Amino acid sequence: GAVVSQHPSRVICKSGTSVKIECRSLDFQATTMFWYRQFPKKSLMLMATSNEGSKATYEQGVEKDKFLINHASLTLSTLTVTSAHPEDSSFYICSARDSGQVDQETQYFGPGTRLLVL
Amino acid sequence: GQNIDQPTEMTATEGAIVQINCTYQTSGFNGLFWYQQHAGEAPTFLSYNVLDGLEEKGRFSSFLSRSKGYSYLLLKELQMKDSASYLCAPMDSNYQLIWGAGTKLIIKP
Repeated sequence: GAVVSQHPSRVICKSGTSVKIECRSLDFQATTMFWYRQFPKKSLMLMATSNEGSKATYEQGVEKDKFLINHASLTLSTLTVTSAHPEDSSFYICSARDSGQVDQETQYFGPGTRLLVL
Repeated sequence: GQNIDQPTEMTATEGAIVQINCTYQTSGFNGLFWYQQHAGEAPTFLSYNVLDGLEEKGRFSSFLSRSKGYSYLLLKELQMKDSASYLCAPMDSNYQLIWGAGTKLIIKP
């Protein structure tokens, strides 16, 4: 149980284009999902908290208009990197909390999406 | 401020036992998680401690002392596949996980 998928697993795009990453909870419902970014050998950095049916909460320094988050259903959140630049190249990982569990605090991670912007 | 202190790297032998320590300071506390992260992959959940004491789960055990701001992850009967980074992540008063760089564990035959 508690499986989270991400798509795509790897994407290469040209500078200036937009990239959409999907995060799905496969066997549970997730009111809350999280989007992280991780650079090589660095710690996870929380970008935003995605809440189903409402606007995402962004961390300080994360541009809302650049990283668009949509959490339209209890099993799907999407992150769109708009007008991507080489400095956006990173490992993007989503996680989700199981809304139906008594212990709702555990975050289950998707496998991550490796983005390379040329 | 909020911070986590874990050793950067540890080395252990296959079949042995290793203890990875973590001290933390957070604004409020709502439990502590341990995650395993293999190189190039996303973290996977290992344990969650919210009360003081030891939680055992197979070869892995996790201990928490809230008064000391201290936790450890104990790995027994080490296997080569246990080579990974181990992330100690306390949860603050806003239910946000605080992440450090983790401990890279190297297992030698």
